[in-house]
Amino acid sequence: DTEVTQTPKHLVMGMTNKKSLKCEQHMGHRAMYWYKQKAKKPPELMFVYSYEKLSINESVPSRFSPECPNSSLLNLHLHALQPEDSALYLCASSQRQDFEKLFFGSGTQLSVL
Amino acid sequence: GDSVTQMEGPVTLSEEAFLTINCTYTATGYPSLFWYVQYPGEGLQLLLKATKADDKGSNKGFEATYRKETTSFHLEKGSVQVSDSAVYFCASGAGGSYIPTFGRGTSLIVHP
Repeated sequence: DTEVTQTPKHLVMGMTNKKSLKCEQHMGHRAMYWYKQKAKKPPELMFVYSYEKLSINESVPSRFSPECPNSSLLNLHLHALQPEDSALYLCASSQRQDFEKLFFGSGTQLSVL
Repeated sequence: GDSVTQMEGPVTLSEEAFLTINCTYTATGYPSLFWYVQYPGEGLQLLLKATKADDKGSNKGFEATYRKETTSFHLEKGSVQVSDSAVYFCASGAGGSYIPTFGRGTSLIVHP
């Protein structure tokens, strides 16, 4: 199994809603990542978890709250988002944080109304 | 800070044409360099990489050589196929880190 699975594929939410994005991998990878990608732009790193501990937070607003319940799962909790947060959210994993090959999921397309 | 600059797309080619997508980087130290590809509706996939000067990465007919003197990592393929249509991202992993910082991406469209 060489897949990173993200759910849901599409999400529409209002600015007062609370929702969560989920990411799962069963490759035994110990580093997991959240990226944000706006249309026709490159992905921007948001968070990195290494061995289930948050190791990098790229100054992301607190309305985005990551969680790594175990080595296979990564969540991104969303609350009080703004329309400009609409984007494709990509999850990725790698064997370790210092390992060069990242495996990406196909993303969650988020629309904030 | 470190950055990656790619040529602006889209690049439109006929099948079997030669492909070059330019990429240059700025970095302190000696970054690792990558090309990622994103097919429509999918996440990114690592296409090839190089970790030191003069290294050549290659995969699926694509090649790129790490040129320290010109700070470049241009992507080439001798004969493109329609199935190569995608967005290609050049990326660097600064200061020995393998966490990629991406360029803007270059869209490639290959016509039959």
